[in-house]
Amino acid sequence: SQQGEEDPQALSIQEGENATMNCSYKTSINNLQWYRQNSGRGLVHLILIRSNEREKHSGRLRVTLDTSKKSSSLLITASRAADTASYFCATGSNTGKLIFGQGTTLQVKP
Amino acid sequence: NAGVMQNPRHLVRRRGQEARLRCSPMKGHSHVYWYRQLPEEGLKFMVYLQKENIIDESGMPKERFSAEFPKEGPSILRIQQVVRGDSAAYFCASSYGTENTEAFFGQGTRLTVV
Repeated sequence: SQQGEEDPQALSIQEGENATMNCSYKTSINNLQWYRQNSGRGLVHLILIRSNEREKHSGRLRVTLDTSKKSSSLLITASRAADTASYFCATGSNTGKLIFGQGTTLQVKP
Repeated sequence: NAGVMQNPRHLVRRRGQEARLRCSPMKGHSHVYWYRQLPEEGLKFMVYLQKENIIDESGMPKERFSAEFPKEGPSILRIQQVVRGDSAAYFCASSYGTENTEAFFGQGTRLTVV
């Protein structure tokens, strides 16, 4: 069964704008991870946030985690056309098994 | 250090044939995971293996599907007597640890059953 629900399902913005994607999950987690997938390709790991962390940054990416609300958000600042892809959140267990959400399709228009 | 290698990238099988998907994890990684992705959907966990052991196969169909990760060689996901519903992208991921450890994904094998 899917753990995460992502919102929105699709997002279209202009280059330079910020993109925010949200993820909700149902059960307790060890960590939450965000991945990017370009069309027809494999997944690229973006960021991992542990269950005891609240916020994490990596370059233009900012991830927050609210375990009381069982939700996370991914913010991409100053978006570029190359950021066009599908973005997935995944909850991680202590075995390393990942449960993925349905994904958000982001289109950044030049 | 090469990434996770999957082959073949594309595989076409007729209904009833067998499909064998291979995955070589990154060097030093002993944990291998298989996921399936249907079009326009997220990835669904199938099985977690360590060398010579299946740790968690809770996401794998009970019939026709099997997986192994032998002491030597790649991990193999085997689908017997394929049906059209098996058409999907199958991804392999590997990691060196389990807790709070990044998983590295291969490019996937796209299986088409005709």
